[in-house]
Amino acid sequence: AQSVTQPDIHITVSEGASLELRCNYSYGATPYLFWYVQSPGQGLQLLLKYFSGDTLVQGIKGFEAEFKRSQSSFNLRKPSVHWSDAAEYFCAVGAGGSYIPTFGRGTSLIVHP
Amino acid sequence: EPEVTQTPSHQVTQMGQEVILRCVPISNHLYFYWYRQILGQKVEFLVSFYNNEISEKSEIFDDQFSVERPDGSNFTLKIRSTKLEDSAMYFCASTAGSLSYEQYFGPGTRLTVT
Repeated sequence: AQSVTQPDIHITVSEGASLELRCNYSYGATPYLFWYVQSPGQGLQLLLKYFSGDTLVQGIKGFEAEFKRSQSSFNLRKPSVHWSDAAEYFCAVGAGGSYIPTFGRGTSLIVHP
Repeated sequence: EPEVTQTPSHQVTQMGQEVILRCVPISNHLYFYWYRQILGQKVEFLVSFYNNEISEKSEIFDDQFSVERPDGSNFTLKIRSTKLEDSAMYFCASTAGSLSYEQYFGPGTRLTVT
């Protein structure tokens, strides 16, 4: 079965700084990979996804993620963080014949002014 | 933009009581899901529902849980006899087709069992 690890529970950055949130997955074949964001009081919103092809994926809100098979990683990046990016970020993996994603524990992003 | 809605936003109940969590999926979506997130833990899949029947469920979804689509718009999760460990955030999601991972999530219902 697939699994996802988000090693950072909290990340604090200053507004305008760059951001990288880490995600590692475990699965024997090429997985489907996702990043979701959850703002306070909101549901989970899909930021971006990787199914195949170009390993650098562009998403909404200026986010991107890179699939690195050799490292089993799918890290989320943003060059310049805005205060409104403060939220919980979830990495998820889907695999095989099931379209039910397996989620990581989430990383809470705190943005200092 | 269409969205998934859930009611109530917060439910407090006593152990042993029945609760019903309600969701209104996006109107043209056909596949519906419930997830839960215990505080500080992962988002966990509970059940998926299509064509008025359960299509997949996790080991968490035991006989205490049931789902229903009582009319053309609502999708409900019932917990028959709540336990303390059922305290969690419950998310509903929907998607247009089974081959889509683009699930649209509701804002969640926080269930507190005392």
